[in-house]
Amino acid sequence: AQSVTQLGSHVSVSEGALVLLRCNYSSSVPPYLFWYVQYPNQGLQLLLKYTSAATLVKGINGFEAEFKKSETSFHLTKPSAHMSDAAEYFCAVSDDTGRRALTFGSGTRLQVQP
Amino acid sequence: DTGVSQDPRHKITKRGQNVTFRCDPISEHNRLYWYRQTLGQGPEFLTYFQNEAQLEKSRLLSDRFSAERPKGSFSTLEIQRTEQGDSAMYLCANSALQGPQETQYFGPGTRLLVL
Repeated sequence: AQSVTQLGSHVSVSEGALVLLRCNYSSSVPPYLFWYVQYPNQGLQLLLKYTSAATLVKGINGFEAEFKKSETSFHLTKPSAHMSDAAEYFCAVSDDTGRRALTFGSGTRLQVQP
Repeated sequence: DTGVSQDPRHKITKRGQNVTFRCDPISEHNRLYWYRQTLGQGPEFLTYFQNEAQLEKSRLLSDRFSAERPKGSFSTLEIQRTEQGDSAMYLCANSALQGPQETQYFGPGTRLLVL
């Protein structure tokens, strides 16, 4: 079975500060990892995904994530937070066993203070 | 806009009523997923289709739930005899099977409130 754990249900940063959202995964096979963002009353938008091509993955809106197998982590970062980054962020995992339904973490709500 | 649409966006119903949601995917994408998201939680997998075939159903999908995807195009999710615990956001996701690099694109969701 595969799972992800997102540490910190709420993260608050100042505008212009570093954003760090944590995700640790558990998988018995090489995982595929995703970060999605959800704005209020909307569906999920893909930020970035890891599929083993490169350990540092760059996504949209200036976000990036680094896959660290030794730490079973896939943390999301952004050098400088913007007010528009305020949203819910979800880490998700799937694998190459055919079904590929995503297993999501419980989410981290990012607040950006002016 | 991912190209995946869902209808209705909001639904309020009374306990015991039946409801049906629709998902219109990106036309050339052959995999379609349904997820349920309760308040403060991440989405949970319900079921998925490859073309018109329903290949897997989660244990979350009780007998009151049924999903269809006729002709491998749009999909419907019906809940019979709704209960207050069914209140949630129901999300549809669509993907093209591209080997290991499958990416799921989500619709805006249908928010269900059962009174």
